[in-house]
Amino acid sequence: DAGVTQSPTHLIKTRGQQVTLRCSPISGHKSVSWYQQVLGQGPQFIFQYYEKEERGRGNFPDRFSARQFPNYSSELNVNALLLGDSALYLCASTRPRRETQYFGPGTRLLVL
Amino acid sequence: AQKVTQAQTEISVVEKEDVTLDCVYETRDTTYYLFWYKQPPSGELVFLIRRNSFDEQNEISGRYSWNFQKSTSSFNFTITASQVVDSAVYFCALSEVVQGAQKLVFGQGTRLTINP
Repeated sequence: DAGVTQSPTHLIKTRGQQVTLRCSPISGHKSVSWYQQVLGQGPQFIFQYYEKEERGRGNFPDRFSARQFPNYSSELNVNALLLGDSALYLCASTRPRRETQYFGPGTRLLVL
Repeated sequence: AQKVTQAQTEISVVEKEDVTLDCVYETRDTTYYLFWYKQPPSGELVFLIRRNSFDEQNEISGRYSWNFQKSTSSFNFTITASQVVDSAVYFCALSEVVQGAQKLVFGQGTRLTINP
């Protein structure tokens, strides 16, 4: 089975722009989570979606939003980009009521 | 709040040496899950192991072994006879349920370098 896929792999934006990152979960997984990993740190939780509904949100501003589609894929949107948004954005999927999250390769975002 | 501490930021050893990565956690939950992930330079987090809080049996998988001690809130990871391919950043994580979401709380990571 294919693992979690994310697109694009790399992205360069300028301050103030908006960006959309995409994630496709492992087949059969209905829950998707997003994490931000700043260089040199562990990943930080942003969102979790299950059955197209937001289940939880980390300590991130409203500039960050997400949605999940009927096929369980997900998009993460970040508006009004700041330099500090430069990071590796990781998507993880999990089966319902299962505790293990499986991660994709991530999208590296650089904000100039 | 949940917290995971990986006090070793970087470890460097020569190939074939054994190495132990430390992980200490804090939680008020009586039931929880602990994880180890490996992050090679490519960036993808690779799942290694999940441990339930009520199962304190140590686990061995090939050259990898994990020691879970609830009494000291530790979940340490040992690589025996290390290889160059083991070089990566290793993260310990604790699961937390917040507002119905199951999120992972990660430590800062330990960068492991295996020298030939």
